[in-house]
Amino acid sequence: SQTIHQWPATLVQPVGSPLSLECTVEGTSNPNLYWYRQAAGRGLQLLFYSVGIGQISSEVPQNLSASRPQDRQFILSSKKLLLSDSGFYLCAWSVSLFTDTQYFGPGTRLTVL
Amino acid sequence: KQEVTQIPAALSVPEGENLVLNCSFTDSAIYNLQWFRQDPGKGLTSLLLIQSSQREQTSGRLNASLDKSSGRSTLYIAASQPGDSATYLCAVLETSGSRLTFGEGTQLTVNP
Repeated sequence: SQTIHQWPATLVQPVGSPLSLECTVEGTSNPNLYWYRQAAGRGLQLLFYSVGIGQISSEVPQNLSASRPQDRQFILSSKKLLLSDSGFYLCAWSVSLFTDTQYFGPGTRLTVL
Repeated sequence: KQEVTQIPAALSVPEGENLVLNCSFTDSAIYNLQWFRQDPGKGLTSLLLIQSSQREQTSGRLNASLDKSSGRSTLYIAASQPGDSATYLCAVLETSGSRLTFGEGTQLTVNP
């Protein structure tokens, strides 16, 4: 069966520090991968999605970047965190891009102080 | 721009009640609609996915309906249980297939 992992589970970082969140999927090949952010009082916002290694699409301009160095690995990064980057970050995967069920990881709670 | 609204934002019911959660969307040109469950501090779990050509989907005690022309979907939960307590999110995929828009969710509490 397929599983999706995210780490760390929680993270507290100072403003201006770098960030690296990792997501890995097991039990499937060529998944479509997604990064979402859920901020307090707001719905889920799609940040990035990827259809394959090295292929990243960005949905919103922001302080963050994403990379996909391996088929089942998706990384969310920042060079310098802002207070507004605080939130709950969710990784997800699906077989078809957007058109079928997305399976979500457990999430990373990021607090920027 | 697609907007998804969920009403109510929070709902508290006694165990055993049947209940309905509502989701509305502004652009009826959708590919599908999904309902998710999110437990506190956790990721999302997909509950039901309704294609735009379908009227409803059922899974156990859950039934989701879709009225695309009026921009509405409902999630019906029969015989609610304390374990159903969670936030329920709906999300619509636009016809172009390139944007999934989520509502802010309904926080459900089922009291024993």
